[in-house]
Amino acid sequence: KAGVTQTPRYLIKTRGQQVTLSCSPISGHRSVSWYQQTPGQGLQFLFEYFSETQRNKGNFPGRFSGRQFSNSRSEMNVSTLELGDSALYLCASNPPGSLKNTEAFFGQGTRLTVV
Amino acid sequence: KQEVTQIPAALSVPEGENLVLNCSFTDSAIYNLQWFRQDPGKGLTSLLLIQSSQREQTSGRLNASLDKSSGRSTLYIAASQPGDSATYLCAVSHYNQGGKLIFGQGTELSVKP
Repeated sequence: KAGVTQTPRYLIKTRGQQVTLSCSPISGHRSVSWYQQTPGQGLQFLFEYFSETQRNKGNFPGRFSGRQFSNSRSEMNVSTLELGDSALYLCASNPPGSLKNTEAFFGQGTRLTVV
Repeated sequence: KQEVTQIPAALSVPEGENLVLNCSFTDSAIYNLQWFRQDPGKGLTSLLLIQSSQREQTSGRLNASLDKSSGRSTLYIAASQPGDSATYLCAVSHYNQGGKLIFGQGTELSVKP
């Protein structure tokens, strides 16, 4: 059974550009969450999608956006990149059923470097 | 606002030692608590999940406990091995917040041969 797949694994972008990251959850999982990990702030929640609808949103500026497709694959987009957006972006999916007793499964992440 | 704290930030032990990692949270109204392992530059691997109604969970050499009333969880690693070297993260979820997890800063563990 394939795990959570994130593409690309590494990205280098210039300030002001925009970037799109992709996440394919485990087959059958409909919930996809995105996190930003930096040395200073640790892991911070960006947003969660469930059945193509944003269910939760963290405290990030509007430059960060996402969407989910009918096959549960999700993309996140960052516009007008800043140096501070350099981070490891992680995607997680949850299996169907009660969130009380289902664990989150994470992908390997996309390392974004903004120069 | 929920805050999750992990102490210590870093820990170095000789191989074979038993060790305890700590996690505390300020809001006891959690849904569950999860412990993860992260190797450098990699994603997170789920180790254990404890539901809010449970007191502990065990998997192999790992045992996680939860005291919701005091806002604490511990991860006990028995007979540590160099392969256990990684960063260990705890995270909590809340009712009516879907799959959102709030993470601690992690404990970086180094097990010396």
